Amino acid sequence: DAGVIQSPRHEVTEMGQEVTLRCKPISGHNSLFWYRQTMMRGLELLIYFNNNVPIDDSGMPEDRFSAKMPNASFSTLKIQPSEPRDSAVYFCASTRQGASGYTFGSGTRLTVV
Amino acid sequence: KQEVTQIPAALSVPEGENLVLNCSFTDSAIYNLQWFRQDPGKGLTSLLLIQSSQREQTSGRLNASLDKSSGRSTLYIAASQPGDSATYLCAVVNTDKLIFGTGTRLQVFP
Repeated sequence: DAGVIQSPRHEVTEMGQEVTLRCKPISGHNSLFWYRQTMMRGLELLIYFNNNVPIDDSGMPEDRFSAKMPNASFSTLKIQPSEPRDSAVYFCASTRQGASGYTFGSGTRLTVV
Repeated sequence: KQEVTQIPAALSVPEGENLVLNCSFTDSAIYNLQWFRQDPGKGLTSLLLIQSSQREQTSGRLNASLDKSSGRSTLYIAASQPGDSATYLCAVVNTDKLIFGTGTRLQVFP
């Protein structure tokens, strides 16, 4: 298995632009998580899905952030409009609910200038 | 609300020492606990997963223990090497959510 795949690895964008981050979970995993990591706040859970359904989005900072999981093999995290304070590393993780540990992707390093 | 704390926050040791990293959590109703390693600028690599019914797990020079009743886990690293230098993160699963500690930054010097 190729693991959890995230794209792009790096993204530099101007303030106000729309940013879309992508994630492909491990085949057979039915739970998917989006995390954000910053020096100040560490790893924060933004949202997670079970069987493609959003379960808890209480960590999404504000309405500028949205996430979708149209099928079991793909999820997106969108920021519109982006702001400099959104600069962070965004990680996607997946697991088979009730049966395994969590596997993380390599992350997307987002810089908003 | 589950809170996960790791002590120490940073550790610098000479090569060859045996190390103990500590993790504590406030809510003992966890499903499992996972230790990760993160190298600078990189993603998270899973080291060990301990199910709530287990007491410990071992992988090579690493051994992790879990005491749910006291809300503690320890990661033991035997015969440390410079390649072990990284940040070590403890995370617990509560109601499907993985909640992370603040990490221990380890430096092993030759």
